[in-house]
This record gives sequence, structure tokens and C-alpha cells, in this order.
Amino acid sequence: DVKVTQSSRYLVKRTGEKVFLECVQDMDHENMFWYRQDPGLGLRLIYFSYDVKMKEKGDIPEGYSVSREKKERFSLILESASTNQTSMYLCASSLELAGGDYEQYFGPGTRLTVT
Amino acid sequence: KQEVTQIPAALSVPEGENLVLNCSFTDSAIYNLQWFRQDPGKGLTSLLLIQSSQREQTSGRLNASLDKSSGRSTLYIAASQPGDSATYLCAVIPLMTTSGTYKYIFGTGTRLKVLA
Repeated sequence: DVKVTQSSRYLVKRTGEKVFLECVQDMDHENMFWYRQDPGLGLRLIYFSYDVKMKEKGDIPEGYSVSREKKERFSLILESASTNQTSMYLCASSLELAGGDYEQYFGPGTRLTVT
Repeated sequence: KQEVTQIPAALSVPEGENLVLNCSFTDSAIYNLQWFRQDPGKGLTSLLLIQSSQREQTSGRLNASLDKSSGRSTLYIAASQPGDSATYLCAVIPLMTTSGTYKYIFGTGTRLKVLA
């Protein structure tokens, strides 16, 4: 079974702190994603990475950066946390199937509260 | 711009009922569609993937169908149980970015409650 793990289930940080959220997948997937999920807004893509050291902005990249130094690990960084970044953060990886389709797998999520 | 809509937003049914969840998308030029389940405070669990060459997929009591021309997918749950209570999301893959990686577009989900 594919496993996507996230470093913390719950995290509480103060405004202005630098925050690292880590995600690890164990299936050698090329693509990894960071989303945030807020009530009424659904899932929104922050950043994704299609290869080591390669990244692309999603729909809401402002206030975030990412790092992918190794294929299995994708980190989301909040340079200076703000209260409007309080959210559920979900990491995912995707597998390319024969025929060019993709299947996405999610981690358990990190509930981040910024006070 | 691709938009994915799930109606209803919430649904409450008695145990044992068969039910259908709907997913609509505005651009029929999609590649594949995936259905997920999300329990409160948890991540998403993949239920069914309908690949580009397929029109439906089945897993146990779940059956998902896809009609690209009409922009619709349905998730059928047979003999619903209280354990099926969760939010169900669909996601389509319509866009290719400059990197060649497909971006998923998610619906906002249907929150299902099955009453014992």
C-alpha cells in the first residue's frame, strides 16, 4: 500500500514564526502536492513538485515556499506564519499509470493553528 | 476555467438505503476522475479511480460512472451503513501545466450522514 506521512497531526505556532511541514511518501512517486483545506473553500493547491528540486506554484502560493531535496520528501514552509494561515494542510503524491492517467494519494493532514 | 460542482452539499439517509452522489464538471476535456472519502479531521482516502479509457469502476458496494460528454460522474452506494458517513469528494484532471504535470480540480464535497 502507498503510504504518505506528514510530520505532525496538530501544530500550534505563534504569529511570525517560521513553520516547516514535512511530507514523506514511500512509493517513488514523481509528483507531490501541498493543499490547504478550509470550510466553504474546499481544497486549494498551494504548490506542487514534479521532480526533485522542481516546483510549480499552485493557486494560492503567497506566503508559502517549498523544498524538495529528495524524491520522497516534500516540505512546505511558512516563512512568517500569520493567523490567516490557520488551516488543515494536506500533502499528496501521485502515480502515473499506464496510459497517462494519474492516481493521487493523500497523507493524514496537519491541523495548523497560528495564534 | 474548469469548475467542479457536487450536489447536494449534504445528505442524510436511513441505513440500508441506496444512494447516488453527483459530480458535475464544466469542461468535458478531462483525463481521469477520482472519488475520495474524507472523515472529519482526516486526510482523503481514494475510493475509485476512473481512468481515461473507462466509463465506470466498482469496488464492493461502490460504483462510479463517468460520462465525459455530459460532464457528469455519479457515485452509487448500495445498502448504506452508518460507517459510510463521511464527506465524499470528486476530483478531475483537466489541465496540463507547463511542467506536464496534471493538476487536480476538486469539488467541494457532499457530506453524507447515514442514520442507524
